[in-house]
Amino acid sequence: AQSVSQHNHHVILSEAASLELGCNYSYGGTVNLFWYVQYPGQHLQLLLKYFSGDPLVKGIKGFEAEFIKSKFSFNLRKPSVQWSDTAEYFCAVNSMDTGRRALTFGSGTRLQVQP
Amino acid sequence: DTEVTQTPKHLVMGMTNKKSLKCEQHMGHRAMYWYKQKAKKPPELMFVYSYEKLSINESVPSRFSPECPNSSLLNLHLHALQPEDSALYLCASSQDHLGPYEQYFGPGTRLTVT
Repeated sequence: AQSVSQHNHHVILSEAASLELGCNYSYGGTVNLFWYVQYPGQHLQLLLKYFSGDPLVKGIKGFEAEFIKSKFSFNLRKPSVQWSDTAEYFCAVNSMDTGRRALTFGSGTRLQVQP
Repeated sequence: DTEVTQTPKHLVMGMTNKKSLKCEQHMGHRAMYWYKQKAKKPPELMFVYSYEKLSINESVPSRFSPECPNSSLLNLHLHALQPEDSALYLCASSQDHLGPYEQYFGPGTRLTVT
């Protein structure tokens, strides 16, 4: 069964600091990769996605992620965080090679940005 | 319109009650999902409906009963729940269950079982 690991459980940054959140998955076949964000009291929103093509994908609000197939990784980055980026971030994966295409979520990373 | 709506926003029910959660989308999506999310945890898949047919049941107890009356609506019927079933219940939809499509999530129903 596929699994998704987010090793940073709680990250605290000051405004304008750079951000990188790690995401590793276990499945070796063809995958779709996603980062979702959950702001306090709000619903899950898609930040960005990777299906195929350029492994560097850009999402909303200045976020980007890089798919490195050899490392089974899809790390999220932002050059300069803002207080409004305080939220829970979830990496998610689904496999294209099996009949079961449901999303598997990582455990989440809570980002706290201090003014 | 990329919105998934869920009602009610909050629900408190006793262990002997019967209640239903509702989810609606008007994006023409043919796959709809129920997830359960406990505090500070990721969403856990419960059910997947594809073209109005139940496609995946993640071994969910029978006290949770999903229903898909049409392609826009998804219900979750609740009966004889336990306090440990208290959680945020999320509905999501995607264009298709089998393709490379993102899921759009609703705001959730926060359920408390007393």
